[in-house]
This record gives sequence, C-alpha cells and structure tokens, in this order.
Amino acid sequence: KAGVTQTPRYLIKTRGQQVTLSCSPISGHRSVSWYQQTPGQGLQFLFEYFSETQRNKGNFPGRFSGRQFSNSRSEMNVSTLELGDSALYLCASSLEGSYTEAFFGQGTRLTVV
Amino acid sequence: DQQVKQNSPSLSVQEGRISILNCDYTNSMFDYFLWYKKYPAEGPTFLISISSIKDKNEDGRFTVFLNKSAKHLSLHIVPSQPGDSAVYFCAAGNTGKLIFGQGTTLQVKP
Repeated sequence: KAGVTQTPRYLIKTRGQQVTLSCSPISGHRSVSWYQQTPGQGLQFLFEYFSETQRNKGNFPGRFSGRQFSNSRSEMNVSTLELGDSALYLCASSLEGSYTEAFFGQGTRLTVV
Repeated sequence: DQQVKQNSPSLSVQEGRISILNCDYTNSMFDYFLWYKKYPAEGPTFLISISSIKDKNEDGRFTVFLNKSAKHLSLHIVPSQPGDSAVYFCAAGNTGKLIFGQGTTLQVKP
C-alpha cells in the first residue's frame, strides 16, 4: 500500500513568487491536512480538506490556500512568497480526519531566497 | 497561544532505561491525543494514540498515559533503544485538526 506522496521534495523560490505543492494521500483516505514546520516551532496546522471541502483552517494569512480534487489529491498554494515562508511543508492523510491516525508524507522543503 | 506544550526540548537516557516524554495541553475540548516520532528530513511517523475517554494505552514498548484533570499526557518507552533516538511530538485534536507541541529530542545512549 503506497504511502503519502508529496512533490516536489525540494524547492527554491524567490521572494514575491508563488508556489504550488502537491500531496497524494493514501488510497481510500479522504482527509488531507497541511502543516508547516519551521526551526524552533512545532508543526503548525494550515488547513484540512475533506471530500473536496476545506473543513478546518489554521491561523495563517490568506496567501496560503489549498484545494482538494475528487481523487482526494490536494494542492497547497502560497502566493507572494516571503523569506519567513521557508519551511518544511508536510501533508497528512487519514480516513475520516477524526479518531484516526494521520499518516504523513516526507514533506516539501521550501526555501525562499 | 501554545495550546500544546512540550516543555523539555531534549532528553538523554541510557539504553535499557525508561524514557518519559511529557506534554501539557490547555484546551479541554481535545478528544484524542497522539505521539509521533520524527527523523531529520522525514515526515512524522505515528507511534501511539489515546482517546480522551481512556487514561492509558499500551503498544509494545510504548505506553501513553493521559491525566485529564491535570491536562497532561506522557509517553513511556521501556526499554529505550538507540534506534529510539529522534524528535518526539505530541499532538492533540479533533475532527482532523491536530495541534502539535514543539517536540522533544530524545537521545538514547548505548
């Protein structure tokens, strides 16, 4: 059974640009959540998608957005990149999003220069 | 507002001894809690979880204890092995939203 796949693994962007990250969840999982991990911070929740709908949202500015497709694959977009957006972005998939374990991908390491 | 806190950034124990990792939370609405283990350049790996209606859950060498009145949970690893050396995150949440602590780096010395 394939795990959670995130692409690309590494990305370097210039300040002001935008970026799109992709996450393919485990087959059958309908919930996809996104997290940001920066040095000195724990994993911070960005948003969760379930059946193509954003169900939960963290405290990030509107520059961070996402969507989920009918096959449960999800994309996250960050517009007008800032240096502080440099981080490891992780997505996690779970069956229903509650009372279940979330399985994480290896993450996308975004560096903004 | 840090709703989930791991106050010890690091812990070092000897192989074969017990490792105890602690986590405190502030929101009494959390209904489940999880522990994850993370190696550098990898995503977190699920270890063990506990529902808010329980006070203990055991899986092999790993046991999680939940004290709801104190809003405190702990992960016990017995016996500790060098391969357990990693960053451990506790997480709390409901309905798909997980709030993570900042992590504790565990080093198990041979």
